[in-house]
Amino acid sequence: SQTIHQWPATLVQPVGSPLSLECTVEGTSNPNLYWYRQAAGRGLQLLFYSVGIGQISSEVPQNLSASRPQDRQFILSSKKLLLSDSGFYLCAWSVPTGGPSYEQYFGPGTRLTVT
Amino acid sequence: GEDVEQSLFLSVREGDSSVINCTYTDSSSTYLYWYKQEPGAGLQLLTYIFSNMDMKQDQRLTVLLNKKDKHLSLRIADTQTGDSAIYFCAGTGAGSYQLTFGKGTKLSVIP
Repeated sequence: SQTIHQWPATLVQPVGSPLSLECTVEGTSNPNLYWYRQAAGRGLQLLFYSVGIGQISSEVPQNLSASRPQDRQFILSSKKLLLSDSGFYLCAWSVPTGGPSYEQYFGPGTRLTVT
Repeated sequence: GEDVEQSLFLSVREGDSSVINCTYTDSSSTYLYWYKQEPGAGLQLLTYIFSNMDMKQDQRLTVLLNKKDKHLSLRIADTQTGDSAIYFCAGTGAGSYQLTFGKGTKLSVIP
């Protein structure tokens, strides 16, 4: 069966510090991968998605970046965090494009607080 | 692009039925989804419906789709305290593998 991991679970970082959040998926190959942010107010904002190694699409311009160094690894980074980067970061995967129903499966999330 | 709207709050008594409503704008949405998020956790896929269906039932959950009005609803029968969570409606918009989520409906179940 497929599982998705995210770490760390919680993180408190000062403004201006770097960030690296990691997401890995097990039990599937060539998944589509997604990073979402859920800020206060609960809405989900799609930040990045990837359909393959090294292929990253950005939905929202900001000081965050994403990378996919391996098929089942997706990393969210920042060189300098802003207060507005605080939120709950969710990674998700779906079967490759053309799969049966496109549903996405979410990881447990990382709670980031920028102080 | 796709826009998905939901009411933000719903409060029901334990044992009653809950109905969570959602409207969407993209008539080409192929699949529509309901996700559940418990406090501090990720989103859990509850169910989905294909756009050529009107209704889908899965145990206590019933999904109704009115494609003409672009209206989706989730009915939870015999609502329990464990159903307290935020429920997200989502649809596939342009680019079939991308989902657009509503802001979520917070369901509170009163014992």
